[in-house]
Amino acid sequence: QLQLQESGPGLVKPSETLSLTCTVSGGSISSSSYYWGWIRQPPGKGLEWIVSIHYSGSTYYNPSLKSRVTISVDTSKNQFSLKLSSVTAADTAVYYCASPSSTAAPWFDPWGQGTLVTVSS
Amino acid sequence: EIVLTQSPATLSLSPGERATLSCRASQSVSSYLAWYQQKPGQAPRLLIYDASNRATGIPARFSGSGSGTDFTLTISSLEPEDFAVYYCQQRSNWPQWTFGQGTKVEIK
Repeated sequence: QLQLQESGPGLVKPSETLSLTCTVSGGSISSSSYYWGWIRQPPGKGLEWIVSIHYSGSTYYNPSLKSRVTISVDTSKNQFSLKLSSVTAADTAVYYCASPSSTAAPWFDPWGQGTLVTVSS
Repeated sequence: EIVLTQSPATLSLSPGERATLSCRASQSVSSYLAWYQQKPGQAPRLLIYDASNRATGIPARFSGSGSGTDFTLTISSLEPEDFAVYYCQQRSNWPQWTFGQGTKVEIK
């Protein structure tokens, strides 16, 4: 079954760039005609969609974050990656990557377990 | 931007009771709405998609209804494992997404 795993630094300094990678196992990123996504959740708060990417490289961004977000896909490694620049404390959150569902696309399912990124000096 | 408003913020119920959660969209999203369940320390899990379809493996006590701007998630008889936070999500302008702010179902 499909599994997703986020990886990257858990601590980032203010004004620097947050970088995370999502590694997909049990299936191929290229096998879905739908979009993969990054979603974040500040501690104790709700979910915020950040960006979506297709294996072809097509992307869609949350307008509120677009100017700071870069997303890429590496089909040879079965990974997609997120960069968020000029981070502040408001970017502290659990960051999730998510897959389009195999039976209920384009909805997200499953998700990775999430990784907490703290922005602090 | 489409805004999703969930109500109530918190629902206090006992096991065996019926739970009714609401999600209202600021403009029509047709039937392009899903519900997710999130337990503490876990990632969200897809429960209902396209307003009324149960995702794979989801028990029949979960049901979704609605279209346009008003949607409901019903849990017919709460099991202990159903106490969690529930989020709605819309995709009417897919592949852009919006989430509601969540409803916490807690044990009374």
